[in-house]
Amino acid sequence: AQRVTQPEKLLSVFKGAPVELKCNYSYSGSPELFWYVQYSRQRLQLLLRHISRESIKGFTADLNKGETSFHLKKPFAQEEDSAMYYCALRRGNQGGKLIFGQGTELSVKP
Amino acid sequence: DGGITQSPKYLFRKEGQNVTLSCEQNLNHDAMYWYRQDPGQGLRLIYYSQIVNDFQKGDIAEGYSVSREKKESFPLTVTSAQKNPTAFYLCASSISGTGELFFGEGSRLTVL
Repeated sequence: AQRVTQPEKLLSVFKGAPVELKCNYSYSGSPELFWYVQYSRQRLQLLLRHISRESIKGFTADLNKGETSFHLKKPFAQEEDSAMYYCALRRGNQGGKLIFGQGTELSVKP
Repeated sequence: DGGITQSPKYLFRKEGQNVTLSCEQNLNHDAMYWYRQDPGQGLRLIYYSQIVNDFQKGDIAEGYSVSREKKESFPLTVTSAQKNPTAFYLCASSISGTGELFFGEGSRLTVL
């Protein structure tokens, strides 16, 4: 079955600490993975996608096919990173048909 | 101001009533989607449409219906057959063939 799992509902860190939001997936084909973010009172929006191999707002994510993971990392968390983060899997060549994880709320304390 | 507009933001409904949620986009995107968001469950796909006059069921389509008569509009009807309709509903659009979704602000439906 196709599934995206984010094991942590809430992750709380102090400003300046490293952050890792975990995402594991199960998919038999060639996956395309995304991270979406929702800041307080804002719309859900794309943060980054694995095929771009880019760093956005200091965040990076590497697709590990062996471990079927796509963890989101940032070396030094900032208070403005506090938000809800969703990992998503695009099923093969099916446009925007994404499977979302349950979401992880990141809280960065001063 | 380009984007996705959902209305109403909040809606209350009595049991047994149908209700329609509006979604309009001016991004000129071909594809549009409806997701349902429940606490602890992430987003689940209800219906999607890749082109005008065509739409397909998502993972949880039972009790819902949609139409796509215009490129800009993709309304969702929550029917009385939906057993657990109280939820937050998100509409999104994308350029066909990409996984980058643009979301609306959402509509919160409460069944009394």
